[in-house]
Amino acid sequence: QVQLQESGPGLVEPSQTLSLTCSVSGGSISSGSYYWSWIRQPAGKGLEWIGRIHTSGSTNYNPSLKSRVTISLDTSKNQFSLKLSSVTAAETAVYYCARDSLYGLDVWGQGTTVTVSS
Amino acid sequence: DIQMTQSPSSLSASVGDRVTITCQASQDISNYLNWYQQKPGKAPKLLIYDASNLETGVPSRFGGSGSGTDFTFTISSLQPEDIATYYCQHYDNLPLTFGQGTRLEIK
Repeated sequence: QVQLQESGPGLVEPSQTLSLTCSVSGGSISSGSYYWSWIRQPAGKGLEWIGRIHTSGSTNYNPSLKSRVTISLDTSKNQFSLKLSSVTAAETAVYYCARDSLYGLDVWGQGTTVTVSS
Repeated sequence: DIQMTQSPSSLSASVGDRVTITCQASQDISNYLNWYQQKPGKAPKLLIYDASNLETGVPSRFGGSGSGTDFTFTISSLQPEDIATYYCQHYDNLPLTFGQGTRLEIK
């Protein structure tokens, strides 16, 4: 049973870089043809797809964030990571990592709250 | 980007009722449509994929239909544990986008 767990700072200052890691347990991040995704949700609002990385290392990003997003894979640690630069208060949200099985986002982490504030 | 429009935005129903939520895509997405359930404070959970296929372990009272631009999500007999917000999501192309959500409450 694959499980995902997000980790990282809960508070980031405006204009700084948000960095989160998703640890994968119960299976290898390199096995199968999956994408590993990041999604965020501001409090009381809907879901926004940020981007994803394939087990091959290829990436896809939401065009609205593309210039500021980097998603990377660390197969030795069975983790993948999100970096979002130049953040603003509007990017305060719960950030989720999820597995994309190409038919759907079928495994999700519990989410981690990131507040952008000075 | 493909816009996904759900209706209604909120819904109140009684235990045992049949509940229907609709989702409309801004362009033809074939059957590349998923439905998720999100309970308060929890991550979304995939319920339906490819518009009508039930994810493993999901109760059979949940169902989905549609293709092209118009889709329907149904709960055949509402249970108290079904209280949640439901989202549709397309995966026809990138970026993946979600509907705004339908909040389901017990009457």
